[in-house]
Amino acid sequence: QKEVEQDPGPLSVPEGAIVSLNCTYSNSAFQYFMWYRQYSRKGPELLMYTYSSGNKEDGRFTAQVDKSSKYISLFIRDSQPSDSATYLCAMSRNTGNQFYFGTGTSLTVIP
Amino acid sequence: DAMVIQNPRYQVTQFGKPVTLSCSQTLNHNVMYWYQQKSSQAPKLLFHYYDKDFNNEADTPDNFQSRRPNTSFCFLDIRSPGLGDAAMYLCATSRAGFWLDEAFFGQGTRLTVV
Repeated sequence: QKEVEQDPGPLSVPEGAIVSLNCTYSNSAFQYFMWYRQYSRKGPELLMYTYSSGNKEDGRFTAQVDKSSKYISLFIRDSQPSDSATYLCAMSRNTGNQFYFGTGTSLTVIP
Repeated sequence: DAMVIQNPRYQVTQFGKPVTLSCSQTLNHNVMYWYQQKSSQAPKLLFHYYDKDFNNEADTPDNFQSRRPNTSFCFLDIRSPGLGDAAMYLCATSRAGFWLDEAFFGQGTRLTVV
């Protein structure tokens, strides 16, 4: 079983839609949860991070962590064509540990 | 301003010819990582440095080596590249020991083996 599971998509939505991206994980020791956006042929760019359970909001982006279900989500409101990218979830057990990544979900927002 | 810089952005090398990829950071982070990312796959950790301590992943081939001469620089050496080593190589940094831990990535080096 992989440490982190993520539906690769692809996901295609119309502009203005609400997008929901999700990851599940198996290791209950994970405490740090991150979402990265990766444009084609570029390095991942950190979007959101959370520690332990709860919600975090930043503009159009909301990250949710449910440790009891081992499930994390990223919501994008009012999606824009510029949001078209691959979204990677990542998590780690402790500071300085390795980061475990999902395979990424490819998102296309259609104008 | 770029904080994690990888050079070159694109590298073409011949089958079996040693190649070195470089990474530098201006963040003064104590942890540096090298990931290999193939198309439509998750980044795969090859190894990381915690300060000067080298941590190799069990399934990283011996063909891959790394050097970290100082806090700011880290190198990935591929001794004899094969066709299967063509990938994007990502360098990342993080600050261990802080309550919030996130990795900052460079733009990556796309390696082509011919």
